[in-house]
Amino acid sequence: ETGVTQTPRHLVMGMTNKKSLKCEQHLGHNAMYWYKQSAKKPLELMFVYNFKEQTENNSVPSRFSPECPNSSHLFLHLHTLQPEDSALYLCASSPPRGGGEQFFGPGTRLTVL
Amino acid sequence: GQNIDQPTEMTATEGAIVQINCTYQTSGFNGLFWYQQHAGEAPTFLSYNVLDGLEEKGRFSSFLSRSKGYSYLLLKELQMKDSASYLCAVRDGDKIIFGKGTRLHILP
Repeated sequence: ETGVTQTPRHLVMGMTNKKSLKCEQHLGHNAMYWYKQSAKKPLELMFVYNFKEQTENNSVPSRFSPECPNSSHLFLHLHTLQPEDSALYLCASSPPRGGGEQFFGPGTRLTVL
Repeated sequence: GQNIDQPTEMTATEGAIVQINCTYQTSGFNGLFWYQQHAGEAPTFLSYNVLDGLEEKGRFSSFLSRSKGYSYLLLKELQMKDSASYLCAVRDGDKIIFGKGTRLHILP
């Protein structure tokens, strides 16, 4: 048990669907992250939230919309995705700034048809 | 630009020692991480270096030279369960930049 949970674990959606990924951490951390992991590519940072404020948007297309209602919850809202968006989406949390390792959730395996 | 390089694949024998190198060029530096990732699983933290030198933690050690933009992860007494990908990552402010990972194969 890493203390970071993600739901759903697997998701298949069409290009016209709207869905949301959920992440929850029970570690008392204040920073949360969304990453995308595709085959043969490095882990790509998408968004960073510190104390519920978005501090990093790594040039992510607007069809991905993050939401962080509090320091323990993070959402990724998906709409009109493309097949190339199929990947493993990982959530992580860490103590804010100044180093500190990240704890990753198990990920959501997303397939866009 | 931001760049992190590490070998794509390495092979070693059970019981041996292996060193996985990582070089980086980033605009800022607030620390370097090593993560282990088994196939189909999330990355798990192995080590963190922010000052030059060697950090030892059981069978795993990590070294950093900030002036050279270089780090290595040393794995001793290799076990079959060490077969995994090893990810080098650099923190630059709020950004974490990951390398592509090194896939380590352990032979019996």
